[in-house]
Amino acid sequence: DAGVIQSPRHEVTEMGQEVTLRCKPISGHDYLFWYRQTMMRGLELLIYFNNNVPIDDSGMPEDRFSAKMPNASFSTLKIQPSEPRDSAVYFCASRMGGRNTEAFFGQGTRLTVV
Amino acid sequence: GDSVTQMEGPVTLSEEAFLTINCTYTATGYPSLFWYVQYPGEGLQLLLKATKADDKGSNKGFEATYRKETTSFHLEKGSVQVSDSAVYFCALMNIGTASKLTFGTGTRLQVTL
Repeated sequence: DAGVIQSPRHEVTEMGQEVTLRCKPISGHDYLFWYRQTMMRGLELLIYFNNNVPIDDSGMPEDRFSAKMPNASFSTLKIQPSEPRDSAVYFCASRMGGRNTEAFFGQGTRLTVV
Repeated sequence: GDSVTQMEGPVTLSEEAFLTINCTYTATGYPSLFWYVQYPGEGLQLLLKATKADDKGSNKGFEATYRKETTSFHLEKGSVQVSDSAVYFCALMNIGTASKLTFGTGTRLQVTL
């Protein structure tokens, strides 16, 4: 398996524009997580899914952020409208169910909002 | 709720020095504990894990022991290399309350010749 695949790797957009980040989890993994990493706040969990159903979205910072998982092999994180403070690296991760299974991370999408 | 506390970085060491990065946690029940490593420009990779008290996880010369009595999972390596320069994250997963990973803030390690 190629691992967790995120696209794009880099995104530069203007304030107010819509941004969509994409993730393809590892096949067979039941859980999918979206994290945001910044220097100031470190690694924050935004939302996670189990079997394509959102379980906990308490980390989503505002209504401008939304995430979907229409099927087991694809998820999106959308920001509309984007703001400069949304600039960060966004990571997607997936893992199998079970107590001792580790999460596998994608390479991340570096988002810059100017 | 669950939380993980790591020592502040950056940690700067000379090659072949001994490394310790402290990690303590707060959690109900019996969490699994993990160390992840992030090299520049990359995502996080699992370094090692331990799933119950007194378990020792080890990989690439790194090791950490799950100490329930002190709620700690300190990362150690006997002799670091320049290639170990990275950010290290301690994390826990508590199936009892949620299935998500809770991460510490990360500790940056810089190894010099």
